[in-house]
Amino acid sequence: NAGVMQNPRHLVRRRGQEARLRCSPVKGHSHVYWYRQLPEEGLKFMVYLQKENIIDESGMPKERFSAEFPKEGPSILRIQQVVRGDSAAYFCASSFRQTTSTDTQYFGPGTRLTVL
Amino acid sequence: GENVEQHPSTLSVQEGDSAVIKCTYSDSASNYFPWYKQELGKGPQLIIDIRSNVGEKKDQRIAVTLNKTAKHFSLHITETQPEDSAVYFCAASKNDYKLSFGAGTTVTVRA
Repeated sequence: NAGVMQNPRHLVRRRGQEARLRCSPVKGHSHVYWYRQLPEEGLKFMVYLQKENIIDESGMPKERFSAEFPKEGPSILRIQQVVRGDSAAYFCASSFRQTTSTDTQYFGPGTRLTVL
Repeated sequence: GENVEQHPSTLSVQEGDSAVIKCTYSDSASNYFPWYKQELGKGPQLIIDIRSNVGEKKDQRIAVTLNKTAKHFSLHITETQPEDSAVYFCAASKNDYKLSFGAGTTVTVRA
């Protein structure tokens, strides 16, 4: 059983370039969450998506960041015109969310973004 | 928003001893409290969770306690082993999807 898959695992970009991070949820999961982890800190919620819908993007920076979860294919977190402060580990999690009483989030291995 | 504080930031224990990590949260509406273990270069793995209708939960060597009145919860690891060495994160949520994480505790188990 494959867990959450993320690629690439490591991504290096120069300032001003675009970064695209991909996440394939656990098979059968239709709910995806993105979190950002800065060095020596805990994870911070960014966005919650269902297939073709953004449910909550309250943790996303207002500019340059966008996320999608299309009907087919992985979820994508896109960062345009990256700056050094975007350097972090980006984690994707997924859940089945059949009911509101149990919603365990399973995390992927993360993408470590370095902006030069 | 929810604010979760976690202590200590580092913890070194002798193999076989117990380890205790404590977290406090600010939003009294929070009702879901998971604990994650993160090994170097990997994503967080859920090790145990507790909901607000339960005061304590145990799974082999791991236990979690919750005090809703004081708004704090704790992770207890007994009979620690070298493979327990990792970073542990507590989290809180009131809507079952937006997890607010503590800053993490680096646990080192000395052989």
